[in-house]
Amino acid sequence: DAKTTQPNSMESNEEEPVHLPCNHSTISGTDYIHWYRQLPSQGPEYVIHGLTSNVNNRMASLAIAEDRKSSTLILHRATLRDAAVYYCILRGPKNNNDMRFGAGTRLTVKP
Amino acid sequence: DSGVTQTPKHLITATGQRVTLRCSPRSGDLSVYWYQQSLDQGLQFLIHYYNGEERAKGNILERFSAQQFPDLHSELNLSSLELGDSALYFCASSVGTSGLSYEQYFGPGTRLTVT
Repeated sequence: DAKTTQPNSMESNEEEPVHLPCNHSTISGTDYIHWYRQLPSQGPEYVIHGLTSNVNNRMASLAIAEDRKSSTLILHRATLRDAAVYYCILRGPKNNNDMRFGAGTRLTVKP
Repeated sequence: DSGVTQTPKHLITATGQRVTLRCSPRSGDLSVYWYQQSLDQGLQFLIHYYNGEERAKGNILERFSAQQFPDLHSELNLSSLELGDSALYFCASSVGTSGLSYEQYFGPGTRLTVT
């Protein structure tokens, strides 16, 4: 199964952009890239997903490398509320119901 | 608020006991998923039900079982509890079952403490 690699932790200043990287060098052509985040004491929350093209929504943007071996979640202006653990997850035909959460990246936002 | 509800919020019980965790999915969602989050194992997928039928199993112990009822709510039954079963249990729901782009909506979780 394709795996993802994320930095354990990152820091950002409030109101600055944040780029959260994810490597998935063994991704298959049918794997979607999903991002979820987990705020303290809450359940995970969907952020964004994509297949090949870059995606934007009200929460974030997802930039996918041309070879799809890496992706970057972009928070355009970090707020204190964005402090959370961010998970990059691959969902393919074999495991589309089994979301494999790795350790994720713990984002700290400094005021 | 994701629209997914879970009860109870907290549960404290003794080893060897049996407990039932309950989940109500978002209105209109047919799929329910159960996850376990512990400090040493992280978030792990346990089981998935779609419209009353089991669709996928993950790292679910034989002592654990689940079902989804006709009104689409689901229950996770944990029996012969051990100290290591202490964890947060999350339920999630989604509209469909096989769509790779379907996002899952998570409930607030049930914190189980086994003493």
